[in-house]
Formats: sequence, structure tokens, C-alpha cells
Amino acid sequence: DSGVTQTPKHLITATGQRVTLRCSPRSGDLSVYWYQQSLDQGLQFLIQYYNGEERAKGNILERFSAQQFPDLHSELNLSSLELGDSALYFCASSLSAGGDEQYFGPGTRLTVT
Amino acid sequence: ILNVEQSPQSLHVQEGDSTNFTCSFPSSNFYALHWYRWETAKSPEALFVMTLNGDEKKKGRISATLNTKEGYSYLYIKGSQPEDSATYLCASPRGSTLGRLYFGRGTQLTVWP
Repeated sequence: DSGVTQTPKHLITATGQRVTLRCSPRSGDLSVYWYQQSLDQGLQFLIQYYNGEERAKGNILERFSAQQFPDLHSELNLSSLELGDSALYFCASSLSAGGDEQYFGPGTRLTVT
Repeated sequence: ILNVEQSPQSLHVQEGDSTNFTCSFPSSNFYALHWYRWETAKSPEALFVMTLNGDEKKKGRISATLNTKEGYSYLYIKGSQPEDSATYLCASPRGSTLGRLYFGRGTQLTVWP
């Protein structure tokens, strides 16, 4: 158990809908990272927040947004969902702003039908 | 090398065999190289973060070396056990934003009893 929690574990929704994925980092960690793992792609970095501020951005679609709250939990919002958004979404956390080990949560499996 | 690449894609060995695989990464503007182990139905687990040329790290039967000048890292597993079966991922930041990791596609190791 990494200490990172993600909810929900599974999510099935229809195209065009909007969903919110939630992540709680390990106690004491200030950075939260979001990754997408789809069948035909490796683990893709989406976005990082550090102590409430956006720190780094990857290939995150405009339909996706994220935020980190004062209690350091984070939410990833996915809107206007398409079939191709079906994937495993991981959250990870680390102590610093980058360069240290990242601890991954169990993931949220999103299926868009 | 423009991206993080791993070889071989998969590897099957017998219990007790020692094995190694390679991660290649862009050698210019190198900052760090991460190794992760990802068991089926679980989430990636950090093994090592390496930053110095010539660095060697060890955790039990698993060790890793780093050559930043030529842009490669080797991961070694001595006396493989069935519980070592997993996908081994390496990742490196591109640029100085150290948390923005770019992952290779992984080496899938299967150890047969």
C-alpha cells in the first residue's frame, strides 16, 4: 500500500458526459501527479500540482482539468468524454516539487461507452 | 535518442536465472532516471532514482547502473524468482521540470518456476 488513495476504483459513463476523479496523496507529500495509461500508449504524464499550484503540464487535453485543494487532495475533471478517453488514470504523489520517488495510487479505471 | 526506450519488450527466464534489461534516454540535459516495477493488477512501485553518472543502486537482488554520457541504464536481477515477474519501467524528465516524467514502454519479465 503506497498510502495514496484514489476514488472511484471503476467508473463507467457515456460519451459526452463529465466525471471527476479524486486523489489523496501520502501524508506529508506536497506534489500530486496525474497519469493516463491507455491500451495503445505507455504511462502518459498529464499534470502536476505542488502545494496547490500547477507545476508542470504534459499532453493534457483542453477537455481535462485538475486542481489541488488546500488539504492537498486533488481532482481530475474529464469533460465531453469520448470513447478514446477510456483508460486507467493514476495519481501519484511525492514529497518535493520533483526529482524524488513518486508513489502511485491504485488507479481509476474509466470506461466510456 | 529522443525518447525513453526500453529493451527487450519482454523476457522469459527460468527461476534462478540472472537477467538484465536496458533503458535508453536522451543524454543531453540529463537530470534523473527513475526505475519502477509494475506488477499485474497493482500500481507502479518506485525502485530507484538515479542522478549521477556511474551511479549504482541496489535493493535486495535488484541493482541498476547509470551512464549519463551515453544515455543508458541497466537493471539487473540476480537469481530471478517468480515473484519478480512484473513490468519494469524507466522514466526520465525532459528538461528541468523534474516531476514531469516520460516513461518507456517497459520490459515485461516473466519468471517460470
